[in-house]
Amino acid sequence: LAKTTQPISMDSYEGQEVNITCSHNNIATNDYITWYQQFPSQGPRFIIQGYKTKVTNEVASLFIPADRKSSTLSLPRVSLSDTAVYYCLVVGYSSASKIIFGSGTRLSIRP
Amino acid sequence: KAGVTQTPRYLIKTRGQQVTLSCSPISGHRSVSWYQQTPGQGLQFLFEYFSETQRNKGNFPGRFSGRQFSNSRSEMNVSTLELGDSALYLCASRSGQTSYEQYFGPGTRLTVT
Repeated sequence: LAKTTQPISMDSYEGQEVNITCSHNNIATNDYITWYQQFPSQGPRFIIQGYKTKVTNEVASLFIPADRKSSTLSLPRVSLSDTAVYYCLVVGYSSASKIIFGSGTRLSIRP
Repeated sequence: KAGVTQTPRYLIKTRGQQVTLSCSPISGHRSVSWYQQTPGQGLQFLFEYFSETQRNKGNFPGRFSGRQFSNSRSEMNVSTLELGDSALYLCASRSGQTSYEQYFGPGTRLTVT
């Protein structure tokens, strides 16, 4: 099982770039890395998914080094509305895969 | 396209009772997963159904069960409720077996007294 470790909390300011790193030392060959955002009293929202190197979409980038034992979610130019909990999730596609959310990173953005 | 819907949104039950929660996935999505979220344990995976078959199961007691219907709608049942079952129960759907882009519903807030 690929357990994930993230910082419990992070603070930043509006307009800054925020990088949240997740460790997943036991990641398996077939596992993918996904990130979710959750606001209070809402279900998590999918942000981005990747396997290796770099993935970019309209809201974030995901950097994955060659050994894949960690990943970094990058949020460019954050705003107050980016204040939320961010979860790193390592998942596989086999029926035996377990889905384990880490404790998440509580990101607070200040004006 | 409508999102994932869950009913009811709030529920209060007494210890020892049972409860059934319902989830309607996004149209065309064949996979439905259920999660329990509590302040102490965080987000914990309960089970996943794909085309009416349970594909995966988390580490929860047998009191927690689920099923999926031919239209992909899913229900989860908790029998003999305990105080510790008080939680936000989230349902998530995804289109197929090769993508883990899950879409979550708003959840059902269950309070056991």
